[in-house]
Amino acid sequence: AQSVTQPDIHITVSEGASLELRCNYSYGATPYLFWYVQSPGQGLQLLLKYFSGDTLVQGIKGFEAEFKRSQSSFNLRKPSVHWSDAAEYFCAVGPANFGNEKLTFGTGTRLTIIP
Amino acid sequence: DGGITQSPKYLFRKEGQNVTLSCEQNLNHDAMYWYRQDPGQGLRLIYYSQIVNDFQKGDIAEGYSVSREKKESFPLTVTSAQKNPTAFYLCASSTTGTGNSPLHFGNGTRLTVT
Repeated sequence: AQSVTQPDIHITVSEGASLELRCNYSYGATPYLFWYVQSPGQGLQLLLKYFSGDTLVQGIKGFEAEFKRSQSSFNLRKPSVHWSDAAEYFCAVGPANFGNEKLTFGTGTRLTIIP
Repeated sequence: DGGITQSPKYLFRKEGQNVTLSCEQNLNHDAMYWYRQDPGQGLRLIYYSQIVNDFQKGDIAEGYSVSREKKESFPLTVTSAQKNPTAFYLCASSTTGTGNSPLHFGNGTRLTVT
């Protein structure tokens, strides 16, 4: 069965510092991978996605993620965080030959930004 | 602007009552989904629908029911059989039901049952 692990429940970063949020997945074949962001009391917004091709994908709001097959990872990065990046971040994985009903979400990483 | 509207934002009910959460989308998406979000547990799929008049159970369908009579609407009923209904409920849609069609989410309904 597929699974997603976000090992960090809560991360605190200073404004302007770099950020890396970890995501490890378990799936037998090439998956679809996603990062979503959720502000408090809101729905989720897609940051970026990986289906195939270039393993470094660019997303919205200056985020990027790198797919590393050998490490089963899809970590999210940002060179310099802004106070508005404070939110909860979810990694999700889905099998490439199935539908969205097979999407599995991680438990999320809450990001706090300090001035 | 196109999007997904969930209403109400907050809902309070007494135990033993059924309650219906509304989800409307004007994105012309074929597929719609209901997720439940609990602290520290990520999102879990309740029901999904890939086409009008058809829907399928997700991972935690017990105690819930849905209908899909119109393309733009996918209401969720939380029945009295749901043992722990207090949660944040998210509706989502996608252009198709395939895995490379990302989800678009509404802003959620927080249901509290006492």
